[in-house]
Amino acid sequence: DTGVSQDPRHKITKRGQNVTFRCDPISEHNRLYWYRQTLGQGPEFLTYFQNEAQLEKSRLLSDRFSAERPKGSFSTLEIQRTEQGDSAMYLCASSPLGGPLGYTFGSGTRLTVV
Amino acid sequence: GESVGLHLPTLSVQEGDNSIINCAYSNSASDYFIWYKQESGKGPQFIIDIRSNMDKRQGQRVTVLLNKTVKHLSLQIAATQPGDSAVYFCAEIPSTRQLTFGSGTQLTVLP
Repeated sequence: DTGVSQDPRHKITKRGQNVTFRCDPISEHNRLYWYRQTLGQGPEFLTYFQNEAQLEKSRLLSDRFSAERPKGSFSTLEIQRTEQGDSAMYLCASSPLGGPLGYTFGSGTRLTVV
Repeated sequence: GESVGLHLPTLSVQEGDNSIINCAYSNSASDYFIWYKQESGKGPQFIIDIRSNMDKRQGQRVTVLLNKTVKHLSLQIAATQPGDSAVYFCAEIPSTRQLTFGSGTQLTVLP
């Protein structure tokens, strides 16, 4: 396991379509996070899982967004009825249980909604 | 509201010089402060962290200074190299919340 993997790296979709991204965290990490990053800005927290439980969701996560981590391993982030404002880099990170540090980020999925 | 911000959006330095990147924060309840480096097309990469009860911490070629009186954080990079060119973010971890990032400083190392 060499780090956090995200797939796909790039996604171009038409407005109104649904998209799904996948994140594979570091295998021994219990915590998994999703962030969104727009150009020139820092990443913004969307949601986080501890094992399979989704423990916190940002108000940035509208009803069109849903995240799952069914077996406490990989996670998916789905955006329904995409809008142009959803265009961003979606970053996944994982960290071990027991401390606030140790976040490891993936390289992200860049979404472009046209 | 709570925020983490940066004084300068861009910084250019000559190769071999020292770089100083500054950050202001507003949440005095944060337990940890972290500096990340982000290269184009990649996710943020951890550089160094400092706990709120410390004033200074040193790593390899990097030093982080924390001034809680004025809520200021800085990252010093010694002998800046071309590979240091990237966007640098400060981030904080409040005691009960998630990692919160500022908007970043673009560091450009000139030959």
